[in-house]
Amino acid sequence: DAGVIQSPRHEVTEMGQEVTLRCKPISGHNSLFWYRQTMMRGLELLIYFNNNVPIDDSGMPEDRFSAKMPNASFSTLKIQPSEPRDSAVYFCASTGTLDYEQYFGPGTRLTVT
Amino acid sequence: RKEVEQDPGPFNVPEGATVAFNCTYSNSASQSFFWYRQDCRKEPKLLMSVYSSGNEDGRFTAQLNRASQYISLLIRDSKLSDSATYLCVVNKGTYKYIFGTGTRLKVLA
Repeated sequence: DAGVIQSPRHEVTEMGQEVTLRCKPISGHNSLFWYRQTMMRGLELLIYFNNNVPIDDSGMPEDRFSAKMPNASFSTLKIQPSEPRDSAVYFCASTGTLDYEQYFGPGTRLTVT
Repeated sequence: RKEVEQDPGPFNVPEGATVAFNCTYSNSASQSFFWYRQDCRKEPKLLMSVYSSGNEDGRFTAQLNRASQYISLLIRDSKLSDSATYLCVVNKGTYKYIFGTGTRLKVLA
């Protein structure tokens, strides 16, 4: 049974470049979450989708961040332009409709130099 | 006060020991409770959901005390492979999951 899939697993980019992170939730799950994790701030919710619709994007740091979910099996998180302070691990997670058990992808480790 | 509080540790215990972690939460409307395990440079992985009646999975036992607003995780017969950070997670029946900052466990040979 495939879990949440994320790509790329590692991304190193220079300040000012565009970064796109990708996520495929578990098949049949209707809720998708993007989180960011740093040592200083722990896990932060960036945005939540339900049935492909963004419900809460209040955690998105600023206009440089955007997220889309064009269908039930794919979501992207884009940072444009990237800055060194965006360096973190970005996790995607999904949940189903029957319970609140949340499953995480392996994460994308982003380094912006 | 944080919504979910955990002792950051580290808890250093010898192999075979029993260790317990507690986690307190502040919102009495919280409905669902979970323990996750996170290894260094890996994603959080669901260890177990915590039910009102308590639940057990092998060497792991989770308890919920709604009156005192805390959940606990007991690990018996600790293994080296149990070394990780254990995250307490609370959900209020919405999409908002409140994560504790985690308790580090080191099991020593």
